Amino acid sequence: AQSVTQLGSHVSVSEGALVLLRCNYSSSVPPYLFWYVQYPNQGLQLLLKYTSAATLVKGINGFEAEFKKSETSFHLTKPSAHMSDAAEYFCAVRAAFSGNTPLVFGKGTRLSVIA
Amino acid sequence: GAVVSQHPSRVICKSGTSVKIECRSLDFQATTMFWYRQFPKQSLMLMATSNEGSKATYEQGVEKDKFLINHASLTLSTLTVTSAHPEDSSFYICSARGQGEGNQPQHFGDGTRLSIL
Repeated sequence: AQSVTQLGSHVSVSEGALVLLRCNYSSSVPPYLFWYVQYPNQGLQLLLKYTSAATLVKGINGFEAEFKKSETSFHLTKPSAHMSDAAEYFCAVRAAFSGNTPLVFGKGTRLSVIA
Repeated sequence: GAVVSQHPSRVICKSGTSVKIECRSLDFQATTMFWYRQFPKQSLMLMATSNEGSKATYEQGVEKDKFLINHASLTLSTLTVTSAHPEDSSFYICSARGQGEGNQPQHFGDGTRLSIL
């Protein structure tokens, strides 16, 4: 079975500062990993995904994440936070070759950006 | 990119009413659709998985007679909340995935805010 742990339900950063949102996964088979962002009263938008190619994945809005198998981590980073980055972020995992199984989500991390 | 359209975005109705929510994949064929429920400040809770042309698979604790799911075509799935009550008030989100191996991401609709008075 797969699971995801997002450390920190709430992260607050200053505008222009580094954003680091942590995600650790558990999977008995090679995982596919995803980061999604959710703005208030909206659905989820895909930021980036790792599917066993390059371990450093670049996504939209300047975000990137690095897959580290030895640490079972897939942390999301952005060099410089913008006010528009304030939102809820979800890390998700699915086992490779798992057919039509749904993503397993973490509990989410709310990012606040302070002017 | 892949687009999932969900309607309506907001519903307010009286207790006892049945409410239908539609989820459409606009530019791809969704072999699998997922329905989630999200409580305030919480993560998404999977309610059911539906594959086109077959019965939905419900998660433990989700009443299949209460939450009717139909996935009649590769581009449309519906969730009907039957005889809704105030405790059914929530944010419902659909998600769709196209054909292919599991590295395909799930694409999400914008959600439906259901308020039962």
